[in-house]
Order: sequence, then structure tokens, then C-alpha cells
Amino acid sequence: EAGVAQSPRYKIIEKRQSVAFWCNPISGHATLYWYQQILGQGPKLLIQFQNNGVVDDSQLPKDRFSAERLKGVDSTLKIQPAKLEDSAVYLCASSSEGRGYTFGSGTRLTVV
Amino acid sequence: QQQVKQSPQSLIVQKGGISIINCAYENTAFDYFPWYQQFPGKGPALLIAIRPDVSEKKEGRFTISFNKSAKQFSLHIMDSQPGDSATYFCAAEIKAAGNKLTFGGGTRVLVKP
Repeated sequence: EAGVAQSPRYKIIEKRQSVAFWCNPISGHATLYWYQQILGQGPKLLIQFQNNGVVDDSQLPKDRFSAERLKGVDSTLKIQPAKLEDSAVYLCASSSEGRGYTFGSGTRLTVV
Repeated sequence: QQQVKQSPQSLIVQKGGISIINCAYENTAFDYFPWYQQFPGKGPALLIAIRPDVSEKKEGRFTISFNKSAKQFSLHIMDSQPGDSATYFCAAEIKAAGNKLTFGGGTRVLVKP
């Protein structure tokens, strides 16, 4: 089966600019996650979707981050405005009932 | 609050040697403990996992040891190979709480030929 697709692979923006990341999960996977991985650290959950509904966004900085999952398939994560500390790899993952996670390769964001 | 602590941050092992990575957790509600392997430029990939009702699980050269009373678990990589050079993350999950993973800080493993 095809893996979790993410784009772009890399993005460099200036602080205060906006940026958006896209994720296409594995077909049929109802649950989709966005994780933030700062260099040298483990991934940290930002938001979890079940189909097109939000299950947990308690760690999402809602003043600048937003995410949506239209029609329960693709998802976008947006940052507006970006700060220097948002520099990280943004990982998307999907899972289905009884199966483990599959992570995408991530989008590496550099804010300068 | 860091709920899963991982050590060491890095280790170097000779080819054929044993790599040992340790993790400790705080939340006794965790009921699933996976290990992930991550290569540069790639997302984490599930390596092996254990549930707290089992003290050890082995898959090939990879073994998880689990100590419920001490709230600790470890990954042993036997006969380490250069291809095992990667960053390893322990994680913990509460299955009933939506399968959200809490990761440790990671261990960078370098296997020298």
C-alpha cells in the first residue's frame, strides 16, 4: 500500500510569514495525526483527527496554528504568523483500528 | 511535563556489539510501549512494541525488556550492524485515550564497522 504522503519536503520562510503543509494519509485510515519534531527531540503531538473531526488539539498553539481535514481524507496544517521557534519537522501519521501508526517523511520548516 | 525519559542521548557501538537504550515513564495508565527507528530525512517507523503484561519480547535481533514495577523498559539490539545506525525513540500510549503517542527524547546510535 502507498505510504503517507507529505508536501512540501522543505520550506524556508521569514518570521511572521504564513506557511501550509499538506498530508495525504494511507487510504482507509480514519485517524490522522500531526506531530512536531524539533531537532534533537522526540515528536510531539499537535492534533489528532478521527475522520474529519478533531479528537485532541490540546497541544496545538491555536493563536497561530490551525489544521483541517476535509472530507476525512487529506489534511492541511497552517502556521500564521510563523515564529523562529516553529522551526521543526512536521510529521503526519495515519492509523486504522487495530493497526499501528504509519508516519510520512515530514516537512522540514526553517523560519529565519 | 516529560512523561517518558530516554537515555542515553547517543551511543557508539562496534559492529557485532550490543546496543542498549533505556526508557522510564511516569504515567501508570500507559498500556502500550512501542519503539521507533528513524533514519535521516524519514519519519519514524515502528520497530517493535510490548504491552505491560509481558516482561520481554524478541523480534530477530531486537528485544524489549519491560519492568512494570520500576516503570522502565529498554531496547536491546544484538549483533549491531552499520545499517542499524539511526535514531531510536521509545514511546508510550494509552490505547483507550485515542492512541496518542508520547515519545522519549531519542537516542542516536552509531554502529562502527
